[in-house]
Formats: sequence, structure tokens, C-alpha cells
Amino acid sequence: ETGVTQSPTHLIKTRGQQVTLRCSSQSGHNTVSWYQQALGQGPQFIFQYYREEENGRGNFPPRFSGLQFPNYSSELNVNALELDDSALYLCASSIAGGPTGELFFGEGSRLTVL
Amino acid sequence: EDQVTQSPEALRLQEGESSSLNCSYTVSGLRGLFWYRQDPGKGPEFLFTLYSAGEEKEKERLKATLTKKESFLHITAPKPEDSATYLCAVSIETGANNLFFGTGTRLTVIP
Repeated sequence: ETGVTQSPTHLIKTRGQQVTLRCSSQSGHNTVSWYQQALGQGPQFIFQYYREEENGRGNFPPRFSGLQFPNYSSELNVNALELDDSALYLCASSIAGGPTGELFFGEGSRLTVL
Repeated sequence: EDQVTQSPEALRLQEGESSSLNCSYTVSGLRGLFWYRQDPGKGPEFLFTLYSAGEEKEKERLKATLTKKESFLHITAPKPEDSATYLCAVSIETGANNLFFGTGTRLTVIP
């Protein structure tokens, strides 16, 4: 069984640039959620994708966008990067209709915005 | 306003010294309360789900309990490998995977 994998693990960008983060969900999982975790904070829900459509969104501006592909992998795109976007971005997969809140997280992509 | 508060922020225990972590919540329409463990540089790892007051779940040295206003994670005779940040999260009625996390308790168990 393959777990959730994310890439890249670390990256550095400058303010105003754009970034794309990638996630492969765990085998058999069809739902992907993205979370942002600032240093010393708990993860904060960005959005969720199911059947290639956004299926729930947290309090994040439209410059945070995503995609889900037919193989259930996903991308998180952030445009016009701001310093406060520096954080660990976590992808989590689950099964639609499965146990509520039982998410399988990847190890995250650490984004630094200078 | 939905709120999840964890205490203490940090806890240092001697190996074998039992203790409890607290998660208090104020949410509308709780669908479930969840405990996760997070090691440094890793993503959170699911531990427990609790759905209703009075429910208890156990796994090795960990036991989670739930009341109408808070949850406790009891750690019995902890070992150094239990050192991690323990996160509490709630799910409200608007979406199953829209989890609202607390800021966590950083546990250090000293040999």
C-alpha cells in the first residue's frame, strides 16, 4: 500500500511569484484535502477535492486554487505569493463516505517566501 | 465562533509519569472530535475519533475521552517514543474533512 506522497519537500520563492505543489493520494483513496500549517500552529483547512471538483473550502483567498486529476492526485497552486504564505502545506487523502475525519497526511511541502 | 483550545502548550514528563492533555471546544454541531500525533517534520498521524459524550478509545498507552465541552488524552506510563505534538481537531456540520485543529500540545518524555 502506497502512502500519501508530496513534492517538492522544500522550496523557496520570492514575494509575488507563483508556486505549484503536488500530491499523490494513498492507494484506494478518492478524496484529497489540503491544509496549511504555520510554524507553531495547527493545520488550517484550505480546500478539498472529490471527483475532480472542489468540494469544500476554508477561509483562503482565490489566489489559492487546486486541481484533482482522474488518478486522484492533486495540485495546490498559490499565486501572488505573500510573506505570510510561508508554511508547511499538507495534503491528506481519504475515502469519500469513509470514517469522518480519518485523514492520511503526507509529510508536507515546506514553502518559504522571501 | 468555533474554537478549539489545547492545554498545556508544552509538557515535559519523566518516563513512566502518567498525565493528561486537554482539548476544550466551542463549536456548533459537533460531528466528531479527533486526535492526531505529529512528529517533527512529518504530517499528522491519525489516532482516535470520538463522536459522543462518554465515549472512550484506547490504543497502547493512550486513552481518549470525550465530554460535552472537552476531550482528554490520557498517557499512561509514557516512553520517550511518545514524544510528539498531539493535535486535537473537530469536524462541524459543514463538511466531514473540514477539520478545525487546535494548536497542539508538545509532549517531551525524558528517559
